[in-house]
Amino acid sequence: SQKIEQNSEALNIQEGKTATLTCNYTNYSPAYLQWYRQDPGRGPVFLLLIRENEKEKRKERLKVTFDTTLKQSLFHITASQPADSATYLCALESGGSYIPTFGRGTSLIVHP
Amino acid sequence: DAGITQSPRHKVTETGTPVTLRCHQTENHRYMYWYRQDPGHGLRLIHYSYGVKDTDKGEVSDGYSVSRSKTEDFLLTLESATSSQTSVYFCAISIPGQMNTEAFFGQGTRLTVV
Repeated sequence: SQKIEQNSEALNIQEGKTATLTCNYTNYSPAYLQWYRQDPGRGPVFLLLIRENEKEKRKERLKVTFDTTLKQSLFHITASQPADSATYLCALESGGSYIPTFGRGTSLIVHP
Repeated sequence: DAGITQSPRHKVTETGTPVTLRCHQTENHRYMYWYRQDPGHGLRLIHYSYGVKDTDKGEVSDGYSVSRSKTEDFLLTLESATSSQTSVYFCAISIPGQMNTEAFFGQGTRLTVV
């Protein structure tokens, strides 16, 4: 069955460092991979999308990589800040399905 | 928030009672979704809709029904609520780009079944 894996353990880092979150998947051939941020008590908020034919996408301090051979995406936040503390979800979508399937998310805690 | 409103925001109900959650959007987007979010499971798709009266089941549809009689409203009904349906429910809409989806979520409804 299709599976999306994100680290269930929280990632704790110091302010100013680069946070790296991982999304692995199996039995899936996504055309698109998305990353969302979710704060406590709120709905997820879209951050970035990367297509299967793209290796890397950047937006301000965010960088996403997509390796379809390894079936893995890495999400980086450079120069992290306490305000970056949140849960980050990856979502996969097959081309044309318009249905994102979400991982469980990884909690990021940035310490001042 | 892409004009998405969920109601109610919080609800406590008794086992066996029917419950309807409402999702309202102001942008006339075609695709709408209902997800539930539980610790250890993440977001799981319950039902989705790709137009008025066009709906389909998601991963965890048992015990739920939906209706979409107008573009702007997508209703989720628990016909007979059970404790296992205690969860946070999120409505989402998508804005398709070139064959991809960027989803926008409502603020969620916290449902407790006692």
